Amino acid sequence: GAVVSQHPSRVICKSGTSVKIECRSLDFQATTMFWYRQFPKKSLMLMATSNEGSKATYEQGVEKDKFLINHASLTLSTLTVTSAHPEDSSFYICSARGTSGQETQYFGPGTRLLVL
Amino acid sequence: GESVGLHLPTLSVQEGDNSIINCAYSNSASDYFIWYKQESGKGPQFIIDIRSNMDKRQGQRVTVLLNKTVKHLSLQIAATQPGDSAVYFCAENMKGTYKYIFGTGTRLKVLA
Repeated sequence: GAVVSQHPSRVICKSGTSVKIECRSLDFQATTMFWYRQFPKKSLMLMATSNEGSKATYEQGVEKDKFLINHASLTLSTLTVTSAHPEDSSFYICSARGTSGQETQYFGPGTRLLVL
Repeated sequence: GESVGLHLPTLSVQEGDNSIINCAYSNSASDYFIWYKQESGKGPQFIIDIRSNMDKRQGQRVTVLLNKTVKHLSLQIAATQPGDSAVYFCAENMKGTYKYIFGTGTRLKVLA
């Protein structure tokens, strides 16, 4: 149980285009989903917290107009990187927390984004 | 083998030996702690967790120890295997927020 998927697993795009990444909880309902960014050989940096049916809460320094987050259902959250630039290239990972109030986050496999 | 976490990000151990990975957490109000394993190019995988009202918890081949006095967390892996090679992160849950603060990570290398 507690499986989280992400799609796509890797994407290459041209500078200036937008990219959408999907995060799905496959066998549980996720009240809250989180989006992280990870640079090579570094730790995970929380970008935003997404609650179903409400606006995402962004961490300090993360541009909400640059990284659009939608959490339309209890099993799906999307992250759209708008007008992507090479510095947006990174490993993006989502996690999901169940509805039971449990704190445990289960992570997706990550999406490798390369902006040319 | 034993690491000091932040100061020695890589821990090399012989196959079959026990491993100890350390983590210093930052917030004395954190009430829930988790260890994750991350293999190259993959997302973090849950290993074991512990609540602040406990000081030890055991799983299969893994044990987590929590010392709230010095804000220290450790992960012990018994009989380390090649498949244990990965980066290990500790995470603390900020009480009341469900947000995690991740440690910097320790790379575990298992030598044959």
